[in-house]
Amino acid sequence: AQKVTQAQTEISVVEKEDVTLDCVYETRDTTYYLFWYKQPPSGELVFLIRRNSFDEQNEISGRYSWNFQKSTSSFNFTITASQVVDSAVYFCALGETSGSRLTFGEGTQLTVNP
Amino acid sequence: DADVTQTPRNRITKTGKRIMLECSQTKGHDRMYWYRQDPGLGLRLIYYSFDVKDINKGEISDGYSVSRQAQAKFSLSLESAIPNQTALYFCATSDLGGIPTDTQYFGPGTRLTVL
Repeated sequence: AQKVTQAQTEISVVEKEDVTLDCVYETRDTTYYLFWYKQPPSGELVFLIRRNSFDEQNEISGRYSWNFQKSTSSFNFTITASQVVDSAVYFCALGETSGSRLTFGEGTQLTVNP
Repeated sequence: DADVTQTPRNRITKTGKRIMLECSQTKGHDRMYWYRQDPGLGLRLIYYSFDVKDINKGEISDGYSVSRQAQAKFSLSLESAIPNQTALYFCATSDLGGIPTDTQYFGPGTRLTVL
């Protein structure tokens, strides 16, 4: 069975601090997909990134970066120089071979204080 | 206009009532999904459909049914609502041929309260 663990239930930082959100996954599949979604206070889910299991390159998009390590089954998300607008619940998700049937982690509530 | 819409956005109902939540999409995606979100549990898959004639149960389908009326429409029904079905419900769509492939995009959610 697939499982995603986001051990950090809540994180609080001060604006401009860097923050890393942890994601650890379990799967027996050799091919799988990992995702991060953002849920701002307004409630919608916003897609951030998709990563294939055979592509371990880290990715950077502006202030966001993702560190994928198959050896530790982790797909961590770092926000550099955090801003108040980054305050949201962030979900890590694991998809089976085609990317469908996502298994979500419990989510991490990030609060960025001014 | 939003690519994935859900109606209603909020609904309060009573135990035992039949409720239908509707999802429509203009993205042209073949695949559609229903999830529920509960505090501290993340999102859990209820049902999913890869095309109009293909409907599959997800992780927590008991107490729910679905109908895929057309490629663009996927409805979720609670035949006899109970209080522990109080949750935030999300519809999502994906396209196997999209870029990135088969990435799910979510609607705005429906907040359902069963009294």
